[in-house]
Amino acid sequence: DAGVIQSPRHEVTEMGQEVTLRCKPISGHNSLFWYRQTMMRGLELLIYFNNNVPIDDSGMPEDRFSAKMPNASFSTLKIQPSEPRDSAVYFCASSARTSGYNEQFFGPGTRLTVL
Amino acid sequence: QQQVKQSPQSLIVQKGGISIINCAYENTAFDYFPWYQQFPGKGPALLIAIRPDVSEKKEGRFTISFNKSAKQFSLHIMDSQPGDSATYFCAARRGSEDNDMRFGAGTRLTVKP
Repeated sequence: DAGVIQSPRHEVTEMGQEVTLRCKPISGHNSLFWYRQTMMRGLELLIYFNNNVPIDDSGMPEDRFSAKMPNASFSTLKIQPSEPRDSAVYFCASSARTSGYNEQFFGPGTRLTVL
Repeated sequence: QQQVKQSPQSLIVQKGGISIINCAYENTAFDYFPWYQQFPGKGPALLIAIRPDVSEKKEGRFTISFNKSAKQFSLHIMDSQPGDSATYFCAARRGSEDNDMRFGAGTRLTVKP
C-alpha cells in the first residue's frame, strides 16, 4: 500500500522563481497537512485541509505561499517568488480524520534549495 | 511559539545501552503525546504515543513515561541498537485538534556499535 507521495524529492531553484511542490495523500484519508522543517524552527505546520477545504492556514508565512487541494488525491504548495530563506524540507502528511486520535502519516519530503 | 521543549539536542549511546529523551510541555489542554522517529531522507513516522490517563506505555524496547503534574514525558529506548540511530521528535496536541500538533526540536540519536 503506497504511503504519502511527494514530488519532486529535491528542487534547486534561483531566487525569484516559482516553485510548486506536489502531494498525493494516502487513499481514503480526508485530512492533509503541509509542514516545513528547518534546523532553526523545527517542524512547523503551514496549512491544514479537511475534505479538500483549507481549515487552518495561519502557518503560511507570507502571501508568497499558497496551497490548493483540487481533489481528494492531490495537493500543491506553491511559492512565488521564492527566496533563499524558503530553503527547507517540506513535508506533506495525511490522516483519516475520525472522532478519535488520528495518526498523521508523513511523506518523504521535498528538499528545496533556493539560491 | 514553542510549547514543547525537548532535550538533549543530540545523544550518543553505546549498543545495548539505554537512550533517554525528555520533553516538557506548557499547555495543559494537550491530551495526546506521540513520539516520531525520522531517518535521514525520510519523513517522520509515528513510533509510540501516550494519553495522560496512564503514566507509562511500553511497546517492545520503547517506553514512554508520563508525569502529568510535572508536565513532562520521556522516551526510553532499552537495549539501544545501531538501527535506532535517527532523529526523534516528541509532540503534543489536543486529541481532537488535528492541526494543533506542536513538535519538539528533535534529538539526534547515535548508537555506536
